[in-house]
Amino acid sequence: QKEVEQNSGPLSVPEGAIASLNCTYSDRGSQSFFWYRQYSGKSPELIMFIYSNGDKEDGRFTAQLNKASQYVSLLIRDSQPSDSATYLCAVNFDYQLIWGAGTKLIIKP
Amino acid sequence: DAGVIQSPRHEVTEMGQEVTLRCKPISGHDYLFWYRQTMMRGLELLIYFNNNVPIDDSGMPEDRFSAKMPNASFSTLKIQPSEPRDSAVYFCASSPTGGVAGELFFGEGSRLAVL
Repeated sequence: QKEVEQNSGPLSVPEGAIASLNCTYSDRGSQSFFWYRQYSGKSPELIMFIYSNGDKEDGRFTAQLNKASQYVSLLIRDSQPSDSATYLCAVNFDYQLIWGAGTKLIIKP
Repeated sequence: DAGVIQSPRHEVTEMGQEVTLRCKPISGHDYLFWYRQTMMRGLELLIYFNNNVPIDDSGMPEDRFSAKMPNASFSTLKIQPSEPRDSAVYFCASSPTGGVAGELFFGEGSRLAVL
């Protein structure tokens, strides 16, 4: 069974700190990995994707992938209250996108 | 572009009634997905189309659910008869061929409550 696991949270982080969100997946054959952000009552929106081992940076966001450990993470630097949302991890298995349940992030001013 | 457009945004209906949800994908996008989201089960893929053809409907919960895509700019998801356990937010998403596989553009969703 292909699975994507996330801690549901909530994860509470002070404003200005680094928020670290984690995701593990079950299938070593996975090729691509996605982080979506979903504000309460809104639809998911893609914020980052990563294919290769290592880090990928985009502004305050960094995605990290470790295929050997089957682990992908999202770091948010200088966290802002506007980053408060649920973050969904999604993994592409053989053209199927498998979703985690999401981690609720709360940034405290 | 206007993005993925869904209607209605909210629907309240009684058990046994027919519900039709509508979606207009982003122009030029060849893939269209219908998802359902609940607190208990998260995001679930119901069905997806490529070039108006249903490719995988294994996520459709039962025969009460049906989906069509008569042309590249319109799709419907129908529930008949509806039941209280169908209450959820239904999202339509589209994706372009040649784009990043897994990069989905979601509509704002249709929030369904079946009483």
